[in-house]
Formats: sequence, structure tokens, C-alpha cells
Amino acid sequence: NAGVTQTPKFQVLKTGQSMTLQCAQDMNHNSMYWYRQDPGMGLRLIYYSASEGTTDKGEVPNGYNVSRLNKREFSLRLESAAPSQTSVYFCASSERDSSQYFGPGTRLTVL
Amino acid sequence: GQQLNQSPQSMFIQEGEDVSMNCTSSSIFNTWLWYKQEPGEGPVLLIALYKAGELTSNGRLTAQFGITRKDSFLNISASIPSDVGIYFCAGGGKETSGSRLTFGEGTQLTVNP
Repeated sequence: NAGVTQTPKFQVLKTGQSMTLQCAQDMNHNSMYWYRQDPGMGLRLIYYSASEGTTDKGEVPNGYNVSRLNKREFSLRLESAAPSQTSVYFCASSERDSSQYFGPGTRLTVL
Repeated sequence: GQQLNQSPQSMFIQEGEDVSMNCTSSSIFNTWLWYKQEPGEGPVLLIALYKAGELTSNGRLTAQFGITRKDSFLNISASIPSDVGIYFCAGGGKETSGSRLTFGEGTQLTVNP
């Protein structure tokens, strides 16, 4: 069991470039989440997917889109990256009891 | 925005000391979780609490779900250098939020050998 995996681990983009962060889980969880973590701000929810086929906005969705490709995979897309999106991005998954399990993170720098 | 107040923000202790940190909320949660994050890694689930008043241990860690369902604490006994990291509390299980969690801002723990 790999748990939650994320690719890439590191990425540097120029302002205006686009990219997709990939996330997959092998725990057969229904729910998946994308967070960003900034110094002094804790974890903030960007988007989540309560079940396959559904997605909803979290606390900070502006500038992002998501796709729940199937039960295992949940991707996060930045269409036109901005320096304010420099952050560490975490994917997580859970079953109904709310215990979320996190991936190792993607460290993104936008120049 | 965030609704959990986690304290203290940081702690500097000597190896062998006990540690206590807590989280309070203005609203009720049905689940309290405690995570640890080490540098360069994702948060790792330490303890999950599902019932008001529940006291649960995981090795040297003990956590309690407050009776009012608005608070939780985490104790670490006999700290060791590998306890260094950021500890996050999270509340969940509200009917209005489904499986979403609300996170505290973390307690940075430093253990001096």
C-alpha cells in the first residue's frame, strides 16, 4: 500500500504557465481533497471531492480547477500560474469518518 | 476561515520533559484529530477521537476529546528528539461540512537533547 501519492515533488513555473498536479490513492477512499500550506497559515482547503463524480469549492478555490478522474485519482490544475500560488500543495483522502490521510506534497514556486 | 485556536504556537523543551498542547473552538465538532508534520513531509495522523470525553493513547501520546465537543488536548510524555515537528489539531464530522476538516494553525515543537 502506497497510501496517497503525489507528482511531481517539486515544480518551478513562470507566471502565466499552466500545470496539473496529480494525486492518487490506493485505500479505496470515497473522498479526496486538495490543500495548500503557506507559512503561518496552516492548511487551507482548495477543492474537495466527496465522492467520484462530484467536486466542490473549499476555502481558497480561485485560480484552480480540479478533476476527479476516477475513484483513485484527483488532479489539481493551475491554468495561469501567479506568484501568489507559490506554496506547498497536499492531497488527502478519507472515508466517511473524516480521518484524512495525506500525501507527501508538491512544492511549487511561481516566478 | 479557520475556527480553531491552537496553543501554544511554539514550544522549546528539554528531552525527557512532558508536553501539552490544546485546541479550542467556538463551534462543536463530532471528530477531533491530531496530526504531526515533519520538515518536507505531509501531515501524519497520530490519534483520532470520535466520542465526547474519549481519552485515547498511542505510545507516549495521549489525546482527549473534550466533554463540550469544543476542545481537545494532546499530551506527549518523556519527549525525545524525534518528537520535533509541527503538531496540528483538526475538527470534523459536522453535518454541514461532511468529511471536511478544520485545522488549527499548528504547534511547533523543538526538543533540545
